[in-house]
Amino acid sequence: DSGVTQTPKHLITATGQRVTLRCSPRSGDLSVYWYQQSLDQGLQFLIHYYNGEERAKGNILERFSAQQFPDLHSELNLSSLELGDSALYFCASSVGRGNLRTGELFFGEGSRLTVL
Amino acid sequence: AQSVTQLGSHVSVSEGALVLLRCNYSSSVPPYLFWYVQYPNQGLQLLLKYTSAATLVKGINGFEAEFKKSETSFHLTKPSAHMSDAAEYFCAVTEGAQKLVFGQGTRLTINP
Repeated sequence: DSGVTQTPKHLITATGQRVTLRCSPRSGDLSVYWYQQSLDQGLQFLIHYYNGEERAKGNILERFSAQQFPDLHSELNLSSLELGDSALYFCASSVGRGNLRTGELFFGEGSRLTVL
Repeated sequence: AQSVTQLGSHVSVSEGALVLLRCNYSSSVPPYLFWYVQYPNQGLQLLLKYTSAATLVKGINGFEAEFKKSETSFHLTKPSAHMSDAAEYFCAVTEGAQKLVFGQGTRLTINP
């Protein structure tokens, strides 16, 4: 158990809909990262938050948005869903300001999104 | 931009045999390199990391990796495979201080 909690574990929805994925980081971790894992794209970095502020952005679509709340949990919002958005969405957390050169990421078990 | 190439999307070895998973990186600065493992229906967990100290890095579960700058490689090895090693393995390199770039992954199968 990494200490990172993601809900829901599975989600099935239709095209055009909107969903929210939730992540609770490990106790004490201030950084939250979101990754998308799909068969064709592999693991893609989406976005990083540190203590409520956006720190880095990756291949995140404009239809997607995220935020980190004062209690440090984070939510990833996916809207106008398309078939190609079906994937496993991982949240990870790390201690400190997100300096990965010495730290490591702790991953949740992911939220599997299926868009029909 | 940094990148990672993992040679072989699938590797199959017999139980007790040597495991060798290949990773080559592209980095314009001294890299920080990681190997993560993903067991079925689980998130990724860190196996080992290279952060410019010793070039031979030992990780959990008997795995180790050697950083070779001249070859831009960070291959993962284990002398004797165990059935419990069956999983997907990801090599990753840092891009800046706040982003990990992952390879496409190598699925390791262990044959009894």
